Amino acid sequence: AQKITQTQPGMFVQEKEAVTLDCTYDTSDPSYGLFWYKQPSSGEMIFLIYQGSYDQQNATEGRYSLNFQKARKSANLVISASQLGDSAMYFCAMREIQGAQKLVFGQGTRLTINP
Amino acid sequence: NAGVMQNPRHLVRRRGQEARLRCSPMKGHSHVYWYRQLPEEGLKFMVYLQKENIIDESGMPKERFSAEFPKEGPSILRIQQVVRGDSAAYFCASSPSTSYYNEQFFGPGTRLTVL
Repeated sequence: AQKITQTQPGMFVQEKEAVTLDCTYDTSDPSYGLFWYKQPSSGEMIFLIYQGSYDQQNATEGRYSLNFQKARKSANLVISASQLGDSAMYFCAMREIQGAQKLVFGQGTRLTINP
Repeated sequence: NAGVMQNPRHLVRRRGQEARLRCSPMKGHSHVYWYRQLPEEGLKFMVYLQKENIIDESGMPKERFSAEFPKEGPSILRIQQVVRGDSAAYFCASSPSTSYYNEQFFGPGTRLTVL
């Protein structure tokens, strides 16, 4: 069964610092995708970055990068040069090739950027 | 290209009433997913539909909940005889395919409050 674990309920970071949000996953499927979504206080779900299980390089999207360690089954999100607007809930999610390819989400990490 | 649309954005119902939540996927997307988010939790999969077909409803409560995606018109999530525990944010997502590497695009959500 799929499982996503985010062990940091809350994180507090100073503006302009880099921050790493942890995510570990568990799956027996060799083909899967890992996603990070941001949920600001307004409530919408914003897609940030994707990593495929067969991708050789870590994904990057602007200030977001994904530290993918397949053997350790971890997919940590790194945000460089944090900004006040980065304050939000962050969810790690996984989608397998089998079944309905539904997204399975972690519990989330609430990130607060301090000025 | 309009994104995923959901309405209403906020819905208040009294216990025992029915709630109907609507979702129009992105243009060209034929795969629709419904998720529920309880306060301070991650999103939980409920049901996956294609046009006129329910593909996977493994996350749907056995009673009172139903979903459809007719040939014409939006997808509907219907909750009969609502109870206070149904209060949550309900998100619809659409995808162009079931490939695990395709992201799901989320609507803004419907916040259901049961009094």
